[in-house]
Amino acid sequence: QKEVEQNSGPLSVPEGAIASLNCTYSDRGSQSFFWYRQYSGKSPELIMFIYSNGDKEDGRFTAQLNKASQYVSLLIRDSQPSDSATYLCAVFTGTASKLTFGTGTRLQVTL
Amino acid sequence: GAVVSQHPSRVICKSGTSVKIECRSLDFQATTMFWYRQFPKQSLMLMATSNEGSKATYEQGVEKDKFLINHASLTLSTLTVTSAHPEDSSFYICSARPTAGELYEQYFGPGTRLTVT
Repeated sequence: QKEVEQNSGPLSVPEGAIASLNCTYSDRGSQSFFWYRQYSGKSPELIMFIYSNGDKEDGRFTAQLNKASQYVSLLIRDSQPSDSATYLCAVFTGTASKLTFGTGTRLQVTL
Repeated sequence: GAVVSQHPSRVICKSGTSVKIECRSLDFQATTMFWYRQFPKQSLMLMATSNEGSKATYEQGVEKDKFLINHASLTLSTLTVTSAHPEDSSFYICSARPTAGELYEQYFGPGTRLTVT
């Protein structure tokens, strides 16, 4: 079982719709959870992070965390073509003091 | 704030030669820096954790004699790929953790595209 799992996609959504990206993790000791956006040929850029169960909103983005289910998701409202990218889920475990990345989900926002 | 640079952004080298990649934190001090590698359509894989003034910690399966890391100051870490081979062609990305920041805090550099011919 991979430590951090994501559906590779592509996930295709029409412009203006809500995109829902999901991630599961295996280490129950994981403490913080991150969503990064990566455009082709570029390095990842942090969108947001969450460490408490529930929802966290930042603009058009909402991160959701359910530690009991070991599940974290990212919702993108009013999706724009510029949101088309690969979204990486990353998990931080304090004991290892490092980030572990999922393989990413490619999102395509169509006109 | 929290800008990390990498140099070079792209490099092409011949098989058997060595290549050095620099990672700098421009506006903060970073006791710890991380080196990642990303192959096409794959995720970031942590290669090693670099700590200023001490030896790097390498992840399982990463050859420490092939990927030499030096973290000589609080703003600079270097990765040297020795005796590079075509299979080392990849996107190398560093990140830096602010000395005064949280353990989970990392700022990524723009990456270095290495092509070994």
